[in-house]
Amino acid sequence: QSALTQPPSASGSPGQSVTMSCTGTSSDVGSYEYVSWYQQHPGKAPKGVIYEVTKRPSGVPDRFSGSKSGNTASLTVSGLQAEDEADYFCSSYAGGPWVFGGGTKLTVL
Amino acid sequence: QVHLVQSGSELKEPGASVKISCKASGYTFTTYALTWVRQAPGHGLEWMGWINTNTEKPTYARDFTGRFVFSLDTSVSTAYLHISSLKADDSAVYYCARWYQWLFDYWGQGTLVTVSS
Repeated sequence: QSALTQPPSASGSPGQSVTMSCTGTSSDVGSYEYVSWYQQHPGKAPKGVIYEVTKRPSGVPDRFSGSKSGNTASLTVSGLQAEDEADYFCSSYAGGPWVFGGGTKLTVL
Repeated sequence: QVHLVQSGSELKEPGASVKISCKASGYTFTTYALTWVRQAPGHGLEWMGWINTNTEKPTYARDFTGRFVFSLDTSVSTAYLHISSLKADDSAVYYCARWYQWLFDYWGQGTLVTVSS
């Protein structure tokens, strides 16, 4: 069982927005502003799309945004495009270790 | 340009050992920590721990103590993951990744380890 809880699937049509959740505890997501999100296409290595809850690495489109409330973090992908179809994993610093979620498979309809 | 290049796939029998390499290029190796992440087939990501590339001190996640060893050869900018007494459920893709500003920003391509008799 993964430390952070993510819904297994999400979907949206091209151009729409979709929000994925990531629920942790007061020992990880709730205590630190160090939540990150990773995009993984099949057979590829993960790629960071959000770090420190809301920041985007260089080269990541501003269609990707992050937020956090309490023990739950969220990733929103706006203006969905076909290439956004992938698995998305959240991760949080937990005061020493890092913990990951089980991943959400995003389908672009 | 930053690259992390990992060694190729491995097929091992139960009880054997394996050593995976992760060669870094495009930056000063000892400036950033490296982390190791496991992904079992059809599963999510598991953080295995990290190694301080300056002091060479490893830190292991709770589930990865004992049989797992992180090491470095800074002369060739390479990190290693050694796994001993392999079990079937060690079968997974193992990734190295650079840790920069609270993000694992560059990842190796992954190394598939299959444990089977």
